Amino acid sequence: NAGVMQNPRHLVRRRGQEARLRCSPVKGHSHVYWYRQLPEEGLKFMVYLQKENIIDESGMPKERFSAEFPKEGPSILRIQQVVRGDSAAYFCASSPQNSNYGYTFGSGTRLTVV
Amino acid sequence: RKEVEQDPGPFNVPEGATVAFNCTYSNSASQSFFWYRQDCRKEPKLLMSVYSSGNEDGRFTAQLNRASQYISLLIRDSKLSDSATYLCVVNAIIQGAQKLVFGQGTRLTINP
Repeated sequence: NAGVMQNPRHLVRRRGQEARLRCSPVKGHSHVYWYRQLPEEGLKFMVYLQKENIIDESGMPKERFSAEFPKEGPSILRIQQVVRGDSAAYFCASSPQNSNYGYTFGSGTRLTVV
Repeated sequence: RKEVEQDPGPFNVPEGATVAFNCTYSNSASQSFFWYRQDCRKEPKLLMSVYSSGNEDGRFTAQLNRASQYISLLIRDSKLSDSATYLCVVNAIIQGAQKLVFGQGTRLTINP
C-alpha cells in the first residue's frame, strides 16, 4: 500500500519555463492538498482538491499557478513562467475524507529556478 | 495575528533533558489538533494527535487548553534522534471545507 507519491523529487527550471509537479494520493484517498515550504519557513496551504473539483484555492497565487485532480491520474500543480521566488519545496498530502484526520504527506518536489 | 503561532526556537538541550513546546491558535472553531515532526529536507510526519483530555505516547505528552487556545508538547528523556523541527497543526474550517494550518515550527537540537 504505497503512500503519497510525488515526482519528480527534484526539478530545475530556468526562469520563464513551466514546472509540472505530480502527486498520486494514497490508494483510496480522494482528497488532495498542496503545500509550499520556502527555505527556513513553515508550510503554507495552497489548494485543496477532490476528484475533478477545486474545493479551496485560497492559498494559490492569483497568477501563473494552477492545480487539477482529474478523474484518472495524478493531481498536477502547474507553475507557468517560473521566477526565482518560486524556488521551494512543494508537498502534496492526501486524506480519505475531509475530516478531522491528519494528512499523509509525500516526500515533496524541490523546485529550483535558475 | 497568525492562525497558529509557535516559539521558533531554536532549542538546544542536552540528551536526557525534558523539553516543552507551546503553541497558540486563533480560530476558536478549530476541532482537531496535531503535532507533526519534520526532519531536515524531509516531509512532515504525524507525531501525535492532541485530545482535550491530554494524551501520552511514550516519552511524548500533548495537552490542549481550548479556553486559552493553547497546545503543548512535552518530550521527556530526550534522545539524539528527537532532533527535528516540531510543527503545531490546527484544522481550519473555511466555507464548510477543512484544511490543516501549520505553525512555523520549533527547531530542536539534542546535544550529546
